Amino acid sequence: ETGVTQTPRHLVMGMTNKKSLKCEQHLGHNAMYWYKQSAKKPLELMFVYNFKEQTENNSVPSRFSPECPNSSHLFLHLHTLQPEDSALYLCASDTGRGYGYTFGSGTRLTVV
Amino acid sequence: AQTVTQSQPEMSVQEAETVTLSCTYDTSESDYYLFWYKQPPSRQMILVIRQEAYKQQNATENRFSVNFQKAAKSFSLKISDSQLGDAAMYFCAYRSVVYSGGGADGLTFGKGTHLIIQP
Repeated sequence: ETGVTQTPRHLVMGMTNKKSLKCEQHLGHNAMYWYKQSAKKPLELMFVYNFKEQTENNSVPSRFSPECPNSSHLFLHLHTLQPEDSALYLCASDTGRGYGYTFGSGTRLTVV
Repeated sequence: AQTVTQSQPEMSVQEAETVTLSCTYDTSESDYYLFWYKQPPSRQMILVIRQEAYKQQNATENRFSVNFQKAAKSFSLKISDSQLGDAAMYFCAYRSVVYSGGGADGLTFGKGTHLIIQP
């Protein structure tokens, strides 16, 4: 365990479902991130939160809705997803630009 | 925007041998950070090594070292005495020192290199 916990580990959902991914860190980090990892593609940055304020939305479709209630928790709410949204969703946190991220183990999402 | 290129989709090396993974990047900035991450089948991305661009000395972490060529915008990772546990995807990543706006503020990753260790 790295200190960043993601749940669930696996998720299968229909296109009309609503589900949420959860990320939690107790490392005292002030920034949290959502990334999408698809096969054969670089990791795609989705959202950035600094001190629980959203500072980046990298042109993500509105069917993905992030929430950061405090500096330790980050959620990604999902609704009416498409099959192409199937991917590994990674959460990360850090405490400074030069230190690199601490990642969670990811949620493997399959949209059917 | 910065880009990171890993030109080797897959590399294979014999156990105990040395292997070098290549990474090049494109940037107009003079100061930045570079990273190598390892992602084994467990999916956990683990930081292997980091380099600050203003430091000329190449970073080293045990069996892992980098060859940082700033003028050539090259940042290769050398793994010495390869072990079976080194088998994983390896990602090179870039980050600006200061966020100047206009784009996504986070690490920019390459597509990765799949490293196979032959016993």
